[in-house]
Amino acid sequence: QKEVEQDPGPLSVPEGAIVSLNCTYSNSAFQYFMWYRQYSRKGPELLMYTYSSGNKEDGRFTAQVDKSSKYISLFIRDSQPSDSATYLCAMRVGQGAQKLVFGQGTRLTINP
Amino acid sequence: GAVVSQHPSWVICKSGTSVKIECRSLDFQATTMFWYRQFPKQSLMLMATSNEGSKATYEQGVEKDKFLINHASLTLSTLTVTSAHPEDSSFYICSHPSAYNEQFFGPGTRLTVL
Repeated sequence: QKEVEQDPGPLSVPEGAIVSLNCTYSNSAFQYFMWYRQYSRKGPELLMYTYSSGNKEDGRFTAQVDKSSKYISLFIRDSQPSDSATYLCAMRVGQGAQKLVFGQGTRLTINP
Repeated sequence: GAVVSQHPSWVICKSGTSVKIECRSLDFQATTMFWYRQFPKQSLMLMATSNEGSKATYEQGVEKDKFLINHASLTLSTLTVTSAHPEDSSFYICSHPSAYNEQFFGPGTRLTVL
């Protein structure tokens, strides 16, 4: 069993839809959770960074962490074609220079 | 966010040759940098942790004699793929943690070994 599980998709939705992306994990020691967006043949770009359980909102993006269920989500409201990318969840145990464990990534396409 | 650059962005080489990839932190002094490899349609897999002034720490299954890492300064880490073979063709990405513990990634280097 992988430490972090993420449905690879692909996921295709119409423009303006609400998108829900999810990851589950097995290591209860994870405390820091991140979502990255990666365009084709580019490095990942940090979207959201959360610590422990709870919600965090930034513009059209909302990240949720439920540590009791070992489940994290990223919601995208009013999705745009420019949101089409691969979304990777990542997490780590501690602070500082700690290595990240990534999900497989979900390929998302927003259709105009 | 932090700015990380990589050079080259794309390299094609013959089998058996060595290739050096540079990772530079442009606005942050990084004592630690990470090197990842990403195969098509797959996630990032950590290869090694590069430590300034000391030896790199390699993940299980990564050959340290094949993937040489040098972190000679706080802004530069290099990854050298020695005696490259077609199976080494991949997307290599470096990253470093920021002062706020977020991790920022470079744009990646695409390696094609013929």
